[in-house]
Amino acid sequence: GAVVSQHPSWVICKSGTSVKIECRSLDFQATTMFWYRQFPKQSLMLMATSNEGSKATYEQGVEKDKFLINHASLTLSTLTVTSAHPEDSSFYICSASLLGLADTDTQYFGPGTRLTVL
Amino acid sequence: SQKIEQNSEALNIQEGKTATLTCNYTNYSPAYLQWYRQDPGRGPVFLLLIRENEKEKRKERLKVTFDTTLKQSLFHITASQPADSATYLCALLEDYKLSFGAGTTVTVRA
Repeated sequence: GAVVSQHPSWVICKSGTSVKIECRSLDFQATTMFWYRQFPKQSLMLMATSNEGSKATYEQGVEKDKFLINHASLTLSTLTVTSAHPEDSSFYICSASLLGLADTDTQYFGPGTRLTVL
Repeated sequence: SQKIEQNSEALNIQEGKTATLTCNYTNYSPAYLQWYRQDPGRGPVFLLLIRENEKEKRKERLKVTFDTTLKQSLFHITASQPADSATYLCALLEDYKLSFGAGTTVTVRA
């Protein structure tokens, strides 16, 4: 149980285009989903937290107009990288939690999406 | 915000030996600390959670300790196997969000 999927697993796009990444919780309803970015040999950096039906909360330094997050249902969140540039190339990982902020909550991570912007 | 340090970027050990990884944090002790495994090109997989009032937690060949005085958690892989080769991340809860260390890459030689 507690499986999270991401689609696509990798994407290559031209500079200036927009890319949408989907994150789905397959066998549970996720009240909260998180989006992370990971550069090579670095740790996961939280980009934003999204709750179903409300606006996402972005971390300091993350441009909300560039990284659009939609959490339309309890099983789906999407991240759209708008007007992508080569510096946006990274590994994007989503996670989902069952109870949101409970102190023993565990986040279940998706397999990640490798974005390469040419 | 917390600074999380994992002892070394890489750890190479012989099969059958015990790997010991260190996670240190700088500020207040979190309510709990988690350890994850991450394989190349994949998302992290949850391994163990230890609460601040727990000294030790075990799961199969894995053991985690939590010392709030030292502000440190140790992660042990006993009887290591080549299949244990991966990057191991520690994470702690801060302001209702998980903060991750940079990870330690373990390579187990057959």
